[in-house]
Amino acid sequence: GAGVSQSPSNKVTEKGKDVELRCDPISGHTALYWYRQSLGQGLEFLIYFQGNSAPDKSGLPSDRFSAERTGGSVSTLTIQRTQQEDSAVYLCASSFYGRGDEQYFGPGTRLTVT
Amino acid sequence: DQQVKQNSPSLSVQEGRISILNCDYTNSMFDYFLWYKKYPAEGPTFLISISSIKDKNEDGRFTVFLNKSAKHLSLHIVPSQPGDSAVYFCAVYFSGNTPLVFGKGTRLSVIA
Repeated sequence: GAGVSQSPSNKVTEKGKDVELRCDPISGHTALYWYRQSLGQGLEFLIYFQGNSAPDKSGLPSDRFSAERTGGSVSTLTIQRTQQEDSAVYLCASSFYGRGDEQYFGPGTRLTVT
Repeated sequence: DQQVKQNSPSLSVQEGRISILNCDYTNSMFDYFLWYKKYPAEGPTFLISISSIKDKNEDGRFTVFLNKSAKHLSLHIVPSQPGDSAVYFCAVYFSGNTPLVFGKGTRLSVIA
């Protein structure tokens, strides 16, 4: 079956522009997660959705970052007024129930802010 | 301060030998430990896990060992194969509904 998909796979943007990153989780998975991996770093948790609500947004680094999930499925991560330090690979994962379950990751979106 | 440390950024092993990847954590509250494997341009994939009530979990060529007193876990791959070449991340959490905390990863190269 289809895994987690993310689009675009690569995004180059100028500093100060807004970007939207999309995640399509595995069908039927209720939990969805966003992470980012900066160069030489581990995966950094950003936000967790259960259904359409986000009980844990503790990892969002600033108010320039926001995310939403609609229909219990697709999620969009939006970064406003991008900065060079936002350059990273943004990974989405989903799991069937919640945090205790195995997370399935998408291939990521590589964001480069010039 | 890092809660999860993988102190070896890279490891090179000959095919057929044992690969040992190490991970240290700081918080004794963590009670669930996982290893993920990542190939270039792909997302991480779950490999093996262990809960704090065990000290060893084995799955084929992969074994994870947990030393709670030392706050240390390790992943053993034996025998190592060229297809095992990837970045390995350890991840931990405690079951009070918290995020996974990942280490920075160790790049394993298995040389034929």
